[in-house]
Amino acid sequence: DSGVTQTPKHLITATGQRVTLRCSPRSGDLSVYWYQQSLDQGLQFLIQYYNGEERAKGNILERFSAQQFPDLHSELNLSSLELGDSALYFCASSVQEFGMSGYTFGSGTRLTVV
Amino acid sequence: DQQVKQNSPSLSVQEGRISILNCDYTNSMFDYFLWYKKYPAEGPTFLISISSIKDKNEDGRFTVFLNKSAKHLSLHIVPSQPGDSAVYFCAASEGNDMRFGAGTRLTVKP
Repeated sequence: DSGVTQTPKHLITATGQRVTLRCSPRSGDLSVYWYQQSLDQGLQFLIQYYNGEERAKGNILERFSAQQFPDLHSELNLSSLELGDSALYFCASSVQEFGMSGYTFGSGTRLTVV
Repeated sequence: DQQVKQNSPSLSVQEGRISILNCDYTNSMFDYFLWYKKYPAEGPTFLISISSIKDKNEDGRFTVFLNKSAKHLSLHIVPSQPGDSAVYFCAASEGNDMRFGAGTRLTVKP
């Protein structure tokens, strides 16, 4: 158990639908990062929050959005889902804003869009 | 836009031998480099890192080498053990922008 909790572990939904992925960071970590891993792809950075504020944006589609709440948990919202959105979505956390000592990853949410 | 590349999708070595995993990057502004290990059904776990001001960092059986002029990073595992079998991701960061490679699947055969 890394201390980063992601729910749900698996999600199957239809095209056009909307889903919410949840992440609770490790205790004491202020930064939350979201990554997408598609088949045979590396981890693609989506977005980062630090203490409730958006800090950096990567290759995040306009159909996707995220937020970090006062208790520091984060949610990634994916809407108008397409088949190509099927992937593993990882959340990671770190104490610092810049995770130079490495991030702690959750075990991921596997999203399947049918 | 693949700023971090791991050109070998897989690597197989014999137990006890050296494993060398390679990574290339294109952005000369990256100032920190990391390796993560990932087992099936788990998230990646941080393994070892190196700052751009160094060329080598060692932690037990794991050593990371950085060649800035070649924009090349490598991870050496000596001796390799069957439990090291996993997918290894290299990552490079500039500030809070961390980019990952596609991963190399290492198999260590007993």
